[in-house]
Amino acid sequence: EAGVAQSPRYKIIEKRQSVAFWCNPISGHATLYWYQQILGQGPKLLIQFQNNGVVDDSQLPKDRFSAERLKGVDSTLKIQPAKLEDSAVYLCATSVRAPLTYGYTFGSGTRLTVV
Amino acid sequence: LAKTTQPISMDSYEGQEVNITCSHNNIATNDYITWYQQFPSQGPRFIIQGYKTKVTNEVASLFIPADRKSSTLSLPRVSLSDTAVYYCLVGVLSGGSYIPTFGRGTSLIVHP
Repeated sequence: EAGVAQSPRYKIIEKRQSVAFWCNPISGHATLYWYQQILGQGPKLLIQFQNNGVVDDSQLPKDRFSAERLKGVDSTLKIQPAKLEDSAVYLCATSVRAPLTYGYTFGSGTRLTVV
Repeated sequence: LAKTTQPISMDSYEGQEVNITCSHNNIATNDYITWYQQFPSQGPRFIIQGYKTKVTNEVASLFIPADRKSSTLSLPRVSLSDTAVYYCLVGVLSGGSYIPTFGRGTSLIVHP
């Protein structure tokens, strides 16, 4: 079974620039999550999709972050404009099960550095 | 916002059993408790999941008391390759919804 694919692997941008991350989930996994992991901390949920609908985005900074999941498969997370504090690893995770059972499969993440 | 609490770090030696406890006082009634392992430059990897009492798989055991306000991950006979950060994950009440929330993680170092 193929894993969760994320790209790019690394990205360096200047503050106030925009950036986008892409995630391709495991086939058949209806639930998709984006997490932000700042160095030395646990992953923090940004947004959760069930198929192509948003289940929870209460922790997504909507003034600068946006996410979509086209046709319930691939997903993109965008930051515009980026701030220094957005430097982190952005992890995509998918699950075959509905919310409240959290057996996720994570991708390797995209490491973003904002300078 | 209620949080999960884990020890920041633990040290052990090869062949020993390691127990890592996570406190989650406000866990949702129908929520599972899940543990993950993370190596540097990788995403977290699922280890084990449970709802109550004890769950065992080929790599770990998970002990959950009746009140479900804590859980203990048990790693039998650890090896050097078990050096990693271990996270517990539960739903934490925030703004009327239960948000899947990771703890800050426990950095386990296994010594020869």
